[in-house]
Amino acid sequence: GQNIDQPTEMTATEGAIVQINCTYQTSGFNGLFWYQQHAGEAPTFLSYNVLDGLEEKGRFSSFLSRSKGYSYLLLKELQMKDSASYLCAVRDRDYKLSFGAGTTVTVRA
Amino acid sequence: IAGITQAPTSQILAAGRRMTLRCTQDMRHNAMYWYRQDLGLGLRLIHYSNTAGTTGKGEVPDGYSVSRANTDDFPLTLASAVPSQTSVYFCASSDSAGGSGELFFGEGSRLTVL
Repeated sequence: GQNIDQPTEMTATEGAIVQINCTYQTSGFNGLFWYQQHAGEAPTFLSYNVLDGLEEKGRFSSFLSRSKGYSYLLLKELQMKDSASYLCAVRDRDYKLSFGAGTTVTVRA
Repeated sequence: IAGITQAPTSQILAAGRRMTLRCTQDMRHNAMYWYRQDLGLGLRLIHYSNTAGTTGKGEVPDGYSVSRANTDDFPLTLASAVPSQTSVYFCASSDSAGGSGELFFGEGSRLTVL
């Protein structure tokens, strides 16, 4: 099974940078995903890491260290629309995706 | 517009009643999933199907059943609803069991069991 931990809440100022950490324990690792979910909406895909290192996609970057069971999502140049919940998810060898409880990010003007 | 359609979007149900949540996708994805989302607990996998004709149990399968008669449809049935099944239910699909295999989610079904 999976044990996925991420902070419950984070607050940052518009234009700033925020880093959301995620640690996991898994019986069989087969990829790590980050999703964004605005209140009352469905989650949407942000990023995917299967190898160690940094994946950059515009203002969002995601990092993975498999040996440490650790990932982070970096949000740069924060905008008000980035206020949302960010979900860390780990895929196992049976291709099932398990989610952390999510980190609610509040962006203040 | 291609995607996943869930129905109903919202339902209030008396305890003990049978309920089926419908999920249809038109992206020809082979894998489909049902999750429930509860405050503070995140998304928890109920059942999944890696291909038509096969299903598997997730983290919280008790009280739920699924079927996958074809590629497009993946209904979730509550045989006898209980208040603890009050939740938001999300159906999802992915186009492969490997590679990126990102999940595409439906808009959710909000179920209240009284």
